Amino acid sequence: KAGVTQTPRYLIKTRGQQVTLSCSPISGHRSVSWYQQTPGQGLQFLFEYFSETQRNKGNFPGRFSGRQFSNSRSEMNVSTLELGDSALYLCASSFDRTYNSPLHFGNGTRLTVT
Amino acid sequence: KQEVTQIPAALSVPEGENLVLNCSFTDSAIYNLQWFRQDPGKGLTSLLLIQSSQREQTSGRLNASLDKSSGRSTLYIAASQPGDSATYLCAANNAGNMLTFGGGTRLMVKP
Repeated sequence: KAGVTQTPRYLIKTRGQQVTLSCSPISGHRSVSWYQQTPGQGLQFLFEYFSETQRNKGNFPGRFSGRQFSNSRSEMNVSTLELGDSALYLCASSFDRTYNSPLHFGNGTRLTVT
Repeated sequence: KQEVTQIPAALSVPEGENLVLNCSFTDSAIYNLQWFRQDPGKGLTSLLLIQSSQREQTSGRLNASLDKSSGRSTLYIAASQPGDSATYLCAANNAGNMLTFGGGTRLMVKP
């Protein structure tokens, strides 16, 4: 079974631009969540989607948005990039949202903003 | 607001030692507690998930315990090997899949 796939692996963008990251969950998984990892703040929750609906949102500005498609694939978008948005963005999928459903992470997209 | 702390931040041990990694959380109303490992430049690998009603889970040389009343979880690694070198992260799940992560313990196992 293929794991969680994130594309692209690396991105370099300039301040003020926007970026779209893609995530394909494990087949059959319906929940997709996104996390930002930085050396200073560690891993922080961005948002979670289930059945194409955003279920939870972390404490990030509105420049960060996402969506989920009917096949459970998800995208996240960051507009008006800032230097502080440089981070490893991780996508995770799980079968559902129950208490016994572990998260499976992709290898992430490394975003560098210059 | 959930806060998760991991101690120690870094640990270096000789091969073969048994070791314990600690995780504490402030809000005991959790769905589950999950342990992950992260290798440099990679994503997270799920190790163990302990449901809120459980006290421990085991997988191979790994054993994780959960004490909700005291807000603590421990990850026990038996007979450590160089391949166990990685960063270990614990995460508390309070709602859906919104995990709050600790800062991690960076483990180095020396041959």
